[in-house]
Amino acid sequence: DAGITQSPRHKVTETGTPVTLRCHQTENHRYMYWYRQDPGHGLRLIHYSYGVKDTDKGEVSDGYSVSRSKTEDFLLTLESATSSQTSVYFCAISESWAVYGYTFGSGTRLTVV
Amino acid sequence: ELKVEQNPLFLSMQEGKNYTIYCNYSTTSDRLYWYRQDPGKSLESLFVLLSNGAVKQEGRLMASLDTKARLSTLHITAAVHDLSATYFCAVDKDFGNEKLTFGTGTRLTIIP
Repeated sequence: DAGITQSPRHKVTETGTPVTLRCHQTENHRYMYWYRQDPGHGLRLIHYSYGVKDTDKGEVSDGYSVSRSKTEDFLLTLESATSSQTSVYFCAISESWAVYGYTFGSGTRLTVV
Repeated sequence: ELKVEQNPLFLSMQEGKNYTIYCNYSTTSDRLYWYRQDPGKSLESLFVLLSNGAVKQEGRLMASLDTKARLSTLHITAAVHDLSATYFCAVDKDFGNEKLTFGTGTRLTIIP
């Protein structure tokens, strides 16, 4: 989507290795989010950020950490990847009050073998 | 804990027919969002409903919100094949909370 990019788009990694996913925005939006999408679960919030260096946990944060050192970048790290973290990861951004809803990135398909 | 339930989870319907997707949520909220997702793609915002009684329409899709009943509906009129996709509703628990909780989605297939 215009204004928000995720990298990489696809990744295969081995169990136990660290993995970092990147979300980059050019919209200068305050709020950034990481969701994972799995069949039967919809989208579930992992972590979110409401400003530089301000982050908080979502409902499925175990095994994940995040960092936001600049407004435009929000990094999601799997410290030691497990097979249960195989999923599609979406980054989203929003302005204050989310009047226009979220804008989602194109997603990262992560496979942990 | 906020629960967002959609039904049906799967819907197969013929072109030209009308149908409704339901989204129930478990806590008070004044804001509800509908998204569309095509297979292998990202989510696209369809509607943002910001108050009780809000109704939005775009083409063959119409969404409404009843905050007292904690219910939103997405109505499809005279379905066409291009509407085949998965539709998600999402709820913001508290105004200003800024975190959306999503339903599990409704996979809609339109049969010619």
